[in-house]
Amino acid sequence: GESVGLHLPTLSVQEGDNSIINCAYSNSASDYFIWYKQESGKGPQFIIDIRSNMDKRQGQRVTVLLNKTVKHLSLQIAATQPGDSAVYFCAENMAGNKLTFGGGTRVLVKP
Amino acid sequence: DGGITQSPKYLFRKEGQNVTLSCEQNLNHDAMYWYRQDPGQGLRLIYYSQIVNDFQKGDIAEGYSVSREKKESFPLTVTSAQKNPTAFYLCASSIGRINYGYTFGSGTRLTVV
Repeated sequence: GESVGLHLPTLSVQEGDNSIINCAYSNSASDYFIWYKQESGKGPQFIIDIRSNMDKRQGQRVTVLLNKTVKHLSLQIAATQPGDSAVYFCAENMAGNKLTFGGGTRVLVKP
Repeated sequence: DGGITQSPKYLFRKEGQNVTLSCEQNLNHDAMYWYRQDPGQGLRLIYYSQIVNDFQKGDIAEGYSVSREKKESFPLTVTSAQKNPTAFYLCASSIGRINYGYTFGSGTRLTVV
């Protein structure tokens, strides 16, 4: 079936550098995308979302880019901090407000 | 503060037992969801409910049951038919009608002993 996937399972980043997490989605009809952050033993927390009528959205230190042509989503984290170490999930809404989640990327921030 | 509460945080189940995981929200959300997460894995949908007294199976519903008698509550029962229940269970809720994403609870870790 159609699903959301991620290119890199683990990303090691030096503190202070920028992080880029990638996500490929396969359903061209998806109209809403979200990035979640999950720390160990906790529930996922909303980071940022984007609708299909946009190609970029910025938050505090985070930017989400959507390329509908190649069905690609990315999350950029500026000036990565130790508190950014977590697993990051992308999710897409295909129908009926039911999200489908990708497999996750672990981000490890090195001091 | 509005939020979504899961209890207990840790739960141990003996072979052949049914156990029920609680999920309560005071966000006035219409829709609620149960996900299973295995170590190092993504989230897999077990059941979801868009309105009270109605729910649908997700991708891995076998061995699980739910009820939605109240808007605020969506308990999940892990039955003895679920042969590999050890996992982290996450409950979520959303407004339902409009895509605004989900709010997640803090999870219940279930272990078979």
